[in-house]
Amino acid sequence: NAGVTQTPKFRVLKTGQSMTLLCAQDMNHEYMYWYRQDPGMGLRLIHYSVGEGTTAKGEVPDGYNVSRLKKQNFLLGLESAAPSQTSVYFCASSYSQGLAGKYEQYFGPGTRLTVT
Amino acid sequence: RKEVEQDPGPFNVPEGATVAFNCTYSNSASQSFFWYRQDCRKEPKLLMSVYSSGNEDGRFTAQLNRASQYISLLIRDSKLSDSATYLCVVSRLGLTGGGNKLTFGTGTQLKVEL
Repeated sequence: NAGVTQTPKFRVLKTGQSMTLLCAQDMNHEYMYWYRQDPGMGLRLIHYSVGEGTTAKGEVPDGYNVSRLKKQNFLLGLESAAPSQTSVYFCASSYSQGLAGKYEQYFGPGTRLTVT
Repeated sequence: RKEVEQDPGPFNVPEGATVAFNCTYSNSASQSFFWYRQDCRKEPKLLMSVYSSGNEDGRFTAQLNRASQYISLLIRDSKLSDSATYLCVVSRLGLTGGGNKLTFGTGTQLKVEL
C-alpha cells in the first residue's frame, strides 16, 4: 500500500497563476482532508470531504476549491494564487469518524508551494 | 486564545534523559486527544492516543486531565531518534456530516543530543 500520496512535491507559482494539487489514497477511506501548515501555526483545515461527491469548507477555505469525483482522489485547486498561499499543504484521510473521532488521520508527504 | 497551546521549545536534552511536554486546550467539548510526531520536513504521524486513565507505550506515557484541560507526554530514556516536533491534537464534533474536527497545536520541538 502506498498510503496517501500527493503530487507535486514542490511548486513555485507567480501571483495570479492557477494550479491543482492531487491527493490519492489506497486505503478505502471515506474521509479526506486538505490542511495547510505555516510557521508558528498549527495545521489548519482548508476543505474536507466525508465521501465521494461531497465537499465542505474548513477553517480557511477562501481562495481554494476542491473536488472529490472519485473516492480515492481529492483535488485542491488554487484559481488565482496569492503570496499569502505560500505554505506546506498536507492531504490526509481517515475512516469515517465513528465515536468521538477516534480514527487516526493518515497524512501524505506534503506539497511545498511558493507564490512569488 | 489558541484552542490548543503548547510550549514551542526547543527542548535540548541529553540522550537517556526524561522529558515531559505539556499541552492545554480551551474547548471543554473536546472528546479525543492525541500526540502526533512530525519529523523535519515530513508529514505528521500518530504517536499515541491519550485516554483519561493515562496510557503507556514503551518509553512514552500520555496523561489527560479533563478537569484542568491538560494533556502531557512523557518520554523516558530519550534516544537520538526521538528528535522531532511533537504535536498535541484535540478532537471534537464540528464537521458537517457528523465528523470530528481535529485542532492541532503548533508543536514542541525536541532535540536529543549525545
